[in-house]
Amino acid sequence: NAGVTQTPKFQVLKTGQSMTLQCAQDMNHNSMYWYRQDPGMGLRLIYYSASEGTTDKGEVPNGYNVSRLNKREFSLRLESAAPSQTSVYFCASTPRGWGESSYEQYFGPGTRLTVT
Amino acid sequence: GDSVTQMEGPVTLSEEAFLTINCTYTATGYPSLFWYVQYPGEGLQLLLKATKADDKGSNKGFEATYRKETTSFHLEKGSVQVSDSAVYFCALNGDYKLSFGAGTTVTVRA
Repeated sequence: NAGVTQTPKFQVLKTGQSMTLQCAQDMNHNSMYWYRQDPGMGLRLIYYSASEGTTDKGEVPNGYNVSRLNKREFSLRLESAAPSQTSVYFCASTPRGWGESSYEQYFGPGTRLTVT
Repeated sequence: GDSVTQMEGPVTLSEEAFLTINCTYTATGYPSLFWYVQYPGEGLQLLLKATKADDKGSNKGFEATYRKETTSFHLEKGSVQVSDSAVYFCALNGDYKLSFGAGTTVTVRA
C-alpha cells in the first residue's frame, strides 16, 4: 500500500514560472487536502476537497488553484510562482465523509519548492 | 474559529528524561484532538488521538488526555530516547479541516 504519494519531491522555479504539484492516494479516501509548512507557522491549509468534484479554499489560497481530478488525485497549481511561495507542500487525505470528525489525516512525504 | 496553541520550542533533553509539551485549544463543539510527529525530512505521522472528553490517547510510550474543562491535550512521555527527536504538532479536527499548532522541535541528546 503506497498511501499518499506526491511528485515531485524537490523543485526549483524562477519567479513567474508555473507548475503543478501532483498528489494521489490509494486508500479510497473521500477528502484530500493541500498544506504548506513554513518555519514557526505549523501547517496552513491552502485548499481542500471534501469529496470528488468539490473543492474549497483554506486559510491561504491566494496564488494557487486545485483540481480534484478523480477520487484518487488532487493537484495543486501555481500559475505564476513568487518567492513567497517557497515552502514545503504536503498533501493529505482522510476517509471521513460528512459530519465525521474522528478520522486522522494521512500525509504524503512532501514537496520542497524553492522560488528564486 | 478553531485554533491550537502549543508550547514553543525548541526543547532539548537528555535520554531518559521526562517530556511534556503543552497544548491548548479553542473550538466550537467537540472536536477530536491529535498529536502528529514529523521526523527529519519526512511527512507528518499520527502519533495518537482522542475523540471525546477524558479519553486518553497513547502510542510508543507517549500519552495525552483530552481535558475539556481546561481545553488542553498535553503530550507526555516518561523516558525519551534519541529516536524521539522530531517536531511534534498538536491538532484539532473541526469541520472538515485540521487546525495545527506551530509545532515544537524536540531534540534528545545521548
